[in-house]
Amino acid sequence: GQNIDQPTEMTATEGAIVQINCTYQTSGFNGLFWYQQHAGEAPTFLSYNVLDGLEEKGRFSSFLSRSKGYSYLLLKELQMKDSASYLCAVRVVHTSGTYKYIFGTGTRLKVLA
Amino acid sequence: DVKVTQSSRYLVKRTGEKVFLECVQDMDHENMFWYRQDPGLGLRLIYFSYDVKMKEKGDIPEGYSVSREKKERFSLILESASTNQTSMYLCASRMDRASQYEQYFGPGTRLTVT
Repeated sequence: GQNIDQPTEMTATEGAIVQINCTYQTSGFNGLFWYQQHAGEAPTFLSYNVLDGLEEKGRFSSFLSRSKGYSYLLLKELQMKDSASYLCAVRVVHTSGTYKYIFGTGTRLKVLA
Repeated sequence: DVKVTQSSRYLVKRTGEKVFLECVQDMDHENMFWYRQDPGLGLRLIYFSYDVKMKEKGDIPEGYSVSREKKERFSLILESASTNQTSMYLCASRMDRASQYEQYFGPGTRLTVT
């Protein structure tokens, strides 16, 4: 089966660093995505990894290890506006040859002053 | 800027009604998706389409159907709404040609079936 696990909730302090982990067991892996979703809003794209290693984008970085089925999202210099849910999604090749996405349940991050 | 719009932000329907949720994207994307999002379950794929008139079942297609007559529009149909279809419905679209392209999501439709 296809499965993605991430912690349900995390809390961190403004200015700190937080790491949100994601582990997956899927077949036909074709990339891993992180999305941010504020309450009541649509998810927005944060990062994409398809090869092993670290991708850095300003205060946000994402890491992938395909052999371990593991990714993390690193948020530095946390701000209050980073309070949101963070969704890990794996893209897999569908039987039709197209892609589909499998999402984790999301990690709700609370940033405290 | 990619824009994905959905016909309603909030919808209340009665059990047994036929419900249409419309999604329109303005960036000529080949792929379009319908998800539902429920607390503790995350986003789950209902149906997706990779071209006009083409559709594929996602992970939870039961009770739903879709229509894609034009490239920019993807409709989700609840043939006979039931209370367990109360949920947030999110539409997304994606360009097909290169693997690094992400999905863009619409604002969502919160459907309540009473």
